[in-house]
Amino acid sequence: NSKVIQTPRYLVKGQGQKAKMRCIPEKGHPVVFWYQQNKNNEFKFLINFQNQEVLQQIDMTEKRFSAECPSNSPCSLEIQSSEAGDSALYLCASSQQNSGNTLYFGEGSRLIVV
Amino acid sequence: AQSVTQPDARVTVSEGASLQLRCKYSYSGTPYLFWYVQYPRQGLQLLLKYYSGDPVVQGVNGFEAEFSKSNSSFHLRKASVHWSDSAVYFCAQSNMGYKLTFGTGTSLLVDP
Repeated sequence: NSKVIQTPRYLVKGQGQKAKMRCIPEKGHPVVFWYQQNKNNEFKFLINFQNQEVLQQIDMTEKRFSAECPSNSPCSLEIQSSEAGDSALYLCASSQQNSGNTLYFGEGSRLIVV
Repeated sequence: AQSVTQPDARVTVSEGASLQLRCKYSYSGTPYLFWYVQYPRQGLQLLLKYYSGDPVVQGVNGFEAEFSKSNSSFHLRKASVHWSDSAVYFCAQSNMGYKLTFGTGTSLLVDP
């Protein structure tokens, strides 16, 4: 069973609605990642954090996506105004530092935009 | 740019048969290489990983993979598959930059 906890497992939003997903990384893992997996099994890296700081992120020029990993709270990924093309499985993963880049994934949050 | 190619989108084998799922990576050095499995309606589970040492690495549930620098490959194998191995298998690489680059997966169906 995954030790990375993602909620909710499913969310259905109308176009233009806000969608928010949460992730609790595995205990002791300071690095957190968000990936988007589409229906064609293509993975898109979105952002990663080390503790509360952003390490890398895609060019979120649309500004619809935002993410944070506050201390003592779950990490979150939010889509401000959902579009049909955002329908996907959003995967959170965590990693130890210097672990050979091994990522441990949660079950994912499946977003359906209708 | 890094890329991972899994040339077989779907593979069907009979239960008890041997299995090889192919993976080719592109990177001039030696990347970290991984195989993950995704069961229906679940996230990704790590099967095994490789960075250095013995080119044959053992994973969970009887899976192993062999790294070949000359062929830029990291094929996954299992001697005898079970119906419960039916899932989608993803090969991935990382070049120490934290991010993983994934292939598009091979969907394995094991006929009982």
